[in-house]
Amino acid sequence: KNEVEQSPQNLTAQEGEFITINCSYSVGISALHWLQQHPGGGIVSLFMLSSGKKKHGRLIATINIQEKHSSLHITASHPRDSAVYICAVNGGATNKLIFGTGTLLAVQP
Amino acid sequence: DAGVIQSPRHEVTEMGQEVTLRCKPISGHNSLFWYRQTMMRGLELLIYFNNNVPIDDSGMPEDRFSAKMPNASFSTLKIQPSEPRDSAVYFCASSFFIDAAFFGQGTRLTVV
Repeated sequence: KNEVEQSPQNLTAQEGEFITINCSYSVGISALHWLQQHPGGGIVSLFMLSSGKKKHGRLIATINIQEKHSSLHITASHPRDSAVYICAVNGGATNKLIFGTGTLLAVQP
Repeated sequence: DAGVIQSPRHEVTEMGQEVTLRCKPISGHNSLFWYRQTMMRGLELLIYFNNNVPIDDSGMPEDRFSAKMPNASFSTLKIQPSEPRDSAVYFCASSFFIDAAFFGQGTRLTVV
């Protein structure tokens, strides 16, 4: 079993829909990251959080430390949001990043 | 700041040749990470430096791989000899402690 699990693996949405991507982890962590990888391959760090909730524009990330769960929400989705969204945690003795397998999001116009 | 800079962006080499990938982290960041991404295995951490010192190299696949960080502004990942199964995209990222990690654009390596 992966230490970081994401769901769903694939998600297709219509433009304007509210999107939720989930991440569960089984290790102790000091921080959790949400990353975005575009079809061209570049990786962008969206959020780093260790508690509560953060918001950037149409993106919201929440984390529940007790339940070892995080969600990434996209409001009013747009085709340009189409990408792979990756959850990663700083865990283990050296706080190295442990990655989920990613969620492929396609937003159709 | 220009962000994390990796070079080359693309590398095609023959099996058995030495390959050197380069990374310039963001100035002021004290942690540097090398990752490999393949379709089969996704993103994998290869090695992690903190203050230029290797902290965790448990992800380095075998002795053919080596990484150095001679100073705070430069790191290399070397594969010698290269094999076709090393073909992947190699990312470098830097951060200030465990703050948000900033990724380079990656080096797409093809070993034929």
